[in-house]
Amino acid sequence: DGGITQSPKYLFRKEGQNVTLSCEQNLNHDAMYWYRQDPGQGLRLIYYSQIVNDFQKGDIAEGYSVSREKKESFPLTVTSAQKNPTAFYLCASKDEQFFGPGTRLTVL
Amino acid sequence: AQTVTQSQPEMSVQEAETVTLSCTYDTSENNYYLFWYKQPPSRQMILVIRQEAYKQQNATENRFSVNFQKAAKSFSLKISDSQLGDTAMYFCAFMSFSNEKLTFGTGTRLTIIP
Repeated sequence: DGGITQSPKYLFRKEGQNVTLSCEQNLNHDAMYWYRQDPGQGLRLIYYSQIVNDFQKGDIAEGYSVSREKKESFPLTVTSAQKNPTAFYLCASKDEQFFGPGTRLTVL
Repeated sequence: AQTVTQSQPEMSVQEAETVTLSCTYDTSENNYYLFWYKQPPSRQMILVIRQEAYKQQNATENRFSVNFQKAAKSFSLKISDSQLGDTAMYFCAFMSFSNEKLTFGTGTRLTIIP
């Protein structure tokens, strides 16, 4: 079945470590997006990519980095510069109508 | 910049009743899309309904319909014959044609009571 996969579902890291969240899609969509969800704040856009080898910052890009080397993949790295990384992260594609199941990141 | 406001943090209704969730937005754009998403306890975001601003006819998907008032910048969601499976967070979202980025409201937690 076509869709978006995110792995892992739950991720724990120590403070000061970089961590990479995976997002893969087999829908042949050009556009992919990363969101962060915190309680009571809805979803906020971190980064997005409209085409391979190109991406743009969203509203809260500080402390995050991405790459788009393949159409199917759009990994998100949460760096040690992100001051409050514990959150639920959602990946989406094509006008953001298709969402992955999300990754819950907890920094200890 | 666009903003989306959902003024009802929580709502609850009895099963089989009709419920309306409110959403207002602010934009200077003329061409845009509006969306309602459902997020059940599994946290999977599911598109419920989509409205193109240039269409005057309100979108409908089975038990879900919208009341789109462009001049008032209002986009409410009506759920008819509510079911227990409708229990979820509901998010209203806006996307302009010019930048294709979604802006979300803060959500409404809807509980359907048996």
